[in-house]
Amino acid sequence: SQQGEEDPQALSIQEGENATMNCSYKTSINNLQWYRQNSGRGLVHLILIRSNEREKHSGRLRVTLDTSKKSSSLLITASRAADTASYFCATDAVTGGFKTIFGAGTRLFVKA
Amino acid sequence: SQTIHQWPATLVQPVGSPLSLECTVEGTSNPNLYWYRQAAGRGLQLLFYSVGIGQISSEVPQNLSASRPQDRQFILSSKKLLLSDSGFYLCAWSLGRGRSPLHFGNGTRLTVT
Repeated sequence: SQQGEEDPQALSIQEGENATMNCSYKTSINNLQWYRQNSGRGLVHLILIRSNEREKHSGRLRVTLDTSKKSSSLLITASRAADTASYFCATDAVTGGFKTIFGAGTRLFVKA
Repeated sequence: SQTIHQWPATLVQPVGSPLSLECTVEGTSNPNLYWYRQAAGRGLQLLFYSVGIGQISSEVPQNLSASRPQDRQFILSSKKLLLSDSGFYLCAWSLGRGRSPLHFGNGTRLTVT
């Protein structure tokens, strides 16, 4: 079953603009992760935020987590054409053991 | 540093043929190992995970099986492929329990004809 749901499904922006992607999940979690996937490739881990954290930064990435609303957002600032990819949120549920469950992803297209 | 190898990169197999996809991890011990499948333009579906040699948990009852004959080797198999087995198969590893992210291989594109 799918734990995370990303919104929007697809996003097209101009280079230099900010991109915001949202993720909602259903059960209590230990942590939430964001991954990036270039077409036809494996996923690359971007950032992990624990359930007791509210915000985390890594370079041009900013992730927020609201456990009361069971939601997270990923903000990419000053986007570049090279940011074009699919972005997935994934969760480790409290009762999920060793399973990491992924959402359907947001496809981001950054126009040069 | 740790690396993960997954092969083959692409595979075209007829319906009813067997399947064996292999994944190995280097540079770490006792990793958690995972097989995911991704349909075109979709998210990842967890198929199997393993926390140790010979320990396999299946998430989706289907035509596939997994084995872990060695600590850092994870194999995905099928005795008879179905058309619905087509997809992008990804192997991944992690450490601990909820303390580290997943690290993925480059995937195998399987087309069943």
